Amino acid sequence: SQQGEEDPQALSIQEGENATMNCSYKTSINNLQWYRQNSGRGLVHLILIRSNEREKHSGRLRVTLDTSKKSSSLLITASRAADTASYFCATVFTGANSKLTFGKGITLSVRP
Amino acid sequence: KAGVTQTPRYLIKTRGQQVTLSCSPISGHRSVSWYQQTPGQGLQFLFEYFSETQRNKGNFPGRFSGRQFSNSRSEMNVSTLELGDSALYLCASTAQVNTEAFFGQGTRLTVV
Repeated sequence: SQQGEEDPQALSIQEGENATMNCSYKTSINNLQWYRQNSGRGLVHLILIRSNEREKHSGRLRVTLDTSKKSSSLLITASRAADTASYFCATVFTGANSKLTFGKGITLSVRP
Repeated sequence: KAGVTQTPRYLIKTRGQQVTLSCSPISGHRSVSWYQQTPGQGLQFLFEYFSETQRNKGNFPGRFSGRQFSNSRSEMNVSTLELGDSALYLCASTAQVNTEAFFGQGTRLTVV
């Protein structure tokens, strides 16, 4: 399967702590994206990192990409209760146009 | 700018029936993709349309079909519904290849 693998599957932290989520994939990618989903609703795009980039920041989010290890990590700093959600990494494989291949997701719970 | 709009939000159908779901992309977006989300299989790609042509297809049976109109609005159809088709169906639009996808709120289909 080309599907990405995220870990951990579930993460519970205290408000104010940092949350780190990891994603691995199997084949060459054009880009990797992270999405958030609240309670079975639509997905919200968080950040996109291209295969020639190593790190990107957006507000409290920091994403890294290591193409040699075929892995990415998402760091959420100073977490808030509102960050409680499921997080998915999605890869766009080379030549796949706009097709996203999702991992199973990580459930993040941030305790107030 | 209005977001991606999916209708209806909820549907209950009986086994053997067929269903049509609708998606209106963000204005100017010509690519529309469809995904099925279930607790067991996660997020799975169904198909992608660009300028009224199917550009990518996932690994779903022929009962699942779609189309795109000249105004970029898209519909997906599922015929001869099975209990296993119960899922959240998500539509996403993108402005260009290999860019972020914007998702609608989804259509929750329940087959009884």
